[in-house]
Amino acid sequence: GIQVEQSPPDLILQEGANSTLRCNFSDSVNNLQWFHQNPWGQLINLFYIPSGTKQNGRLSATTVATERYSLLYISSSQTTDSGVYFCAVEKAAGNKLTFGGGTRVLVKP
Amino acid sequence: GAGVSQSPSNKVTEKGKDVELRCDPISGHTALYWYRQRLGQGLEFLIYFQGNSAPDKSGLPSDRFSAERTGESVSTLTIQRTQQEDSAVYLCASSWAPVSSYNSPLHFGNGTRLTVT
Repeated sequence: GIQVEQSPPDLILQEGANSTLRCNFSDSVNNLQWFHQNPWGQLINLFYIPSGTKQNGRLSATTVATERYSLLYISSSQTTDSGVYFCAVEKAAGNKLTFGGGTRVLVKP
Repeated sequence: GAGVSQSPSNKVTEKGKDVELRCDPISGHTALYWYRQRLGQGLEFLIYFQGNSAPDKSGLPSDRFSAERTGESVSTLTIQRTQQEDSAVYLCASSWAPVSSYNSPLHFGNGTRLTVT
């Protein structure tokens, strides 16, 4: 099956810092999504981004499908950004969404 | 409701007992997924329902696990003869996908935390 690797596995940030999370995948994909799992375990969809660039407040994401990677940018990080960030890909339409191992982010005040 | 609803939120059961977990997807969402997340780990795919198509059961870890979905509504995940390694959070998600070739964002429920003693 398709492999999804996220880096770094862990990230510690000082409040206000910027950071970039990376998601590499092993095959062409039809669908890519980024999620944030907060410290209480709730998973929130951040971006649906099979290609191109999107922005939502302090977060933005870029997927370069031809090079099989996606980046999630966090700017001016806040303590509420702490949690685990997952990317998930779908190889073909109607197929299952496969998750990466996640990047665990801790933002310190 | 406005979101994906799962029940119970917590379940403690004795080894060897059967459990049934329930998921109510967002109204109108045709695609429904079950995932398992062990403590500190990523999400492990279990099963995927898409409309009236045959479900993708490729992630079910053993024949003790089964899932059903009534039309495009409620889904139940059943674990028979539970084992301690079944302890995990079981997450349900849904998305609007009127045909199998359509993709839309996935929305997760809050999960059922299963503890097998």
